Amino acid sequence: NAGVTQTPKFRILKIGQSMTLQCAQDMNHNYMYWYRQDPGMGLKLIYYSVGAGITDKGEVPNGYNVSRSTTEDFPLRLELAAPSQTSVYFCASSYTGTSYEQYFGPGTRLTVT
Amino acid sequence: EDQVTQSPEALRLQEGESSSLNCSYTVSGLRGLFWYRQDPGKGPEFLFTLYSAGEEKEKERLKATLTKKESFLHITAPKPEDSATYLCAASFSGSARQLTFGSGTQLTVLP
Repeated sequence: NAGVTQTPKFRILKIGQSMTLQCAQDMNHNYMYWYRQDPGMGLKLIYYSVGAGITDKGEVPNGYNVSRSTTEDFPLRLELAAPSQTSVYFCASSYTGTSYEQYFGPGTRLTVT
Repeated sequence: EDQVTQSPEALRLQEGESSSLNCSYTVSGLRGLFWYRQDPGKGPEFLFTLYSAGEEKEKERLKATLTKKESFLHITAPKPEDSATYLCAASFSGSARQLTFGSGTQLTVLP
């Protein structure tokens, strides 16, 4: 199993541009999450999904959108990029059962200038 | 508001010098306490889950323990390869499996 994969690894955007960060998992997990991590800070939850077609906001959703059309994929859309969105973005997934630790992808480092 | 606080922010140890990292959390229906290891430029790697006070989990030189207000990650006789940032996270009742993360402890083990 590849686990959780993310593309791209790095990206530089100009202010006002848009992009989609891709996330896929091959573990048949129902739950998927998007986090951002700023230097010296913990991970902050942006959006999460409990299954295909179901998404909900996390702690810091402004400026982002998500969709979940399949169990495997959970893309994160940035519209009108701003410098405040410069961060490292992590996607994660977890089981539906009683053990719900989350498994993380390798991250996407995004710079908005 | 549910909160998770880790201390110290950074810790430097000599190889073989045992120590502990602390993770404290607000008490509002803890469902699970999670420890992760994060190497530079990588995603967090799952280490342990603790569900109830008194529970302990071990893996090589690491042992995680849980009380009603805090968790400790004990590192016994650390080696340089244990150098990483250790993240603590908690899931609280009513949070739909969301994790609240602490800001981490950056551990450096010197040879």
